[in-house]
Amino acid sequence: AQKITQTQPGMFVQEKEAVTLDCTYDTSDPSYGLFWYKQPSSGEMIFLIYQGSYDQQNATEGRYSLNFQKARKSANLVISASQLGDSAMYFCAMREGTQGAQKLVFGQGTRLTINP
Amino acid sequence: NAGVTQTPKFRVLKTGQSMTLLCAQDMNHEYMYWYRQDPGMGLRLIHYSVGEGTTAKGEVPDGYNVSRLKKQNFLLGLESAAPSQTSVYFCASSYGYGRDTEAFFGQGTRLTVV
Repeated sequence: AQKITQTQPGMFVQEKEAVTLDCTYDTSDPSYGLFWYKQPSSGEMIFLIYQGSYDQQNATEGRYSLNFQKARKSANLVISASQLGDSAMYFCAMREGTQGAQKLVFGQGTRLTINP
Repeated sequence: NAGVTQTPKFRVLKTGQSMTLLCAQDMNHEYMYWYRQDPGMGLRLIHYSVGEGTTAKGEVPDGYNVSRLKKQNFLLGLESAAPSQTSVYFCASSYGYGRDTEAFFGQGTRLTVV
């Protein structure tokens, strides 16, 4: 079963608009972590934001925020005031598992294109 | 500060050849991971390690072997390469259980099997 689901293969957004990238996850562990990474065309993986399963507040990092809805098992990334440089692949990831057996798994990604 | 270093960056193999990819990290991380990324796809976990001397299978382990003899190194081996193993391989590392910080990635190894 897919642990991380990103249902939007591609998104097209006008510059300066806000954009939400969807991510749903599946786990039975009470303790887990959720991550978003950006992969520009150059190929490197850039960490954006993290949300722990016990965190009471939604994570924010500059223009990035994570809309964490635990009951729905969703962890959507919100990018405010999008910029041309935001065009990239975006991956949602989850770390789950017990001590000594944790692994980090990724979704299939969303390709975001920012139009001028 | 080196972070996570993968060797080599590019490689072309003939079907049936073997090779080893090296991942080295200098952050004293407990966890290390090997992923493959096919064109237009996400990262799929091949094998991972939660500490020196340990390894575990991920989502797509067949055709690969790994070893973690030293904490800072995680080796990925292909015993008999197949064209289906043409991919970009990423190594990553992170702190262990109880320190839920992000994973740091290497720059990737582009492997072509002909």
